[in-house]
Amino acid sequence: DVKVTQSSRYLVKRTGEKVFLECVQDMDHENMFWYRQDPGLGLRLIYFSYDVKMKEKGDIPEGYSVSREKKERFSLILESASTNQTSMYLCATTHRVGTEAFFGQGTRLTVV
Amino acid sequence: AQRVTQPEKLLSVFKGAPVELKCNYSYSGSPELFWYVQYSRQRLQLLLRHISRESIKGFTADLNKGETSFHLKKPFAQEEDSAMYYCALSGLGGGTSGSRLTFGEGTQLTVNP
Repeated sequence: DVKVTQSSRYLVKRTGEKVFLECVQDMDHENMFWYRQDPGLGLRLIYFSYDVKMKEKGDIPEGYSVSREKKERFSLILESASTNQTSMYLCATTHRVGTEAFFGQGTRLTVV
Repeated sequence: AQRVTQPEKLLSVFKGAPVELKCNYSYSGSPELFWYVQYSRQRLQLLLRHISRESIKGFTADLNKGETSFHLKKPFAQEEDSAMYYCALSGLGGGTSGSRLTFGEGTQLTVNP
């Protein structure tokens, strides 16, 4: 079974803090994705990576950055957290383009 | 650019009734379409994908390239089908744009007893 693990289930951070969300996968998948999930808005793509050190902006990259130094790990960074970044964050991986995506359990981030 | 639209945020049916969840997409290349489901307090998981042309848990979906739609259907809904359903699109072209996986807004299906 593919395992996609997000480092935290719940996080509470203060406005202005730098926040790191980590995602690790154990199946040697090429592609990794970060989404935020908000009611009524669905899953919106923040960033994705198709190889080590390679990244592409998604639909809502503002206020976020990412890092992929190793194939199995994809980090999402909030440089200066703001209250409008309070959300559920989901990490996903795919082996190749057009194949099934596997999701982490999600991180519920609250910025106060 | 690629885009997925699910026009219904909420859908409520009675057990045994037919159900159809709508999905429309826009993509200039050759798309691969998926339906994902999220049951209460569970991870998002694949329900079915266009290319495999199979029926999962009684659900089917047909890709209509003329109407750019990929609606999900089930002839007789069950209470255990209550969940959030997301339609998704992945391009099959080469290059970095082909790696993007785009989701719709989701439809919350409730099947009443």
